[in-house]
Amino acid sequence: DAKTTQPPSMDCAEGRAANLPCNHSTISGNEYVYWYRQIHSQGPQYIIHGLKNNETNEMASLIITEDRKSSTLILPHATLRDTAVYYCIVRPIYNNNDMRFGAGTRLTVKP
Amino acid sequence: DAGVTQSPTHLIKTRGQQVTLRCSPKSGHDTVSWYQQALGQGPQFIFQYYEEEERQRGNFPDRFSGHQFPNYSSELNVNALLLGDSALYLCASTTGGIDEQYFGPGTRLTVT
Repeated sequence: DAKTTQPPSMDCAEGRAANLPCNHSTISGNEYVYWYRQIHSQGPQYIIHGLKNNETNEMASLIITEDRKSSTLILPHATLRDTAVYYCIVRPIYNNNDMRFGAGTRLTVKP
Repeated sequence: DAGVTQSPTHLIKTRGQQVTLRCSPKSGHDTVSWYQQALGQGPQFIFQYYEEEERQRGNFPDRFSGHQFPNYSSELNVNALLLGDSALYLCASTTGGIDEQYFGPGTRLTVT
């Protein structure tokens, strides 16, 4: 079973920030928070990951709460091409096989 | 720099048959994992290969087996196909089994 809880779907206006929440209340100190996305009929694409500090890369920002029980993925300026299913995953630091994908959040970016 | 590639793209098999799916990892990667993704669900881990050996396995029956070659490419074999084996089969590669995994486009298997 997935160790995370995400809303099943969200909408976002093109050009606005998309904020995707994830709850992981049972996360342990040696587990990362990872985000992947899957555009229709393609393989999942790695977005970003973090341990306890906020992280930013060219695709997105990841905000992790101080107690690490939840996080938010931020796409600063959503485009139509960001329409996808977004997966939040908790996985052990030393084992990337223990990635339990849930159903994810289906983000629809609307013009 | 080639990413993860998989073949074939689509495949149709009959119940009871056997199937082999193939995967070439991203350049520089030595570890290959296989996932099954049923329609409307997230990917489920099948097993991982490193140094030509199965290193870890998810909750899948022995009908699912694999192989890794010296060039790090990998095959997934499924015997005695069931209708429930119809899914998107994804291959992911990484280095050493710790870093983030990079996924291929998948093979869509339909069992009739």
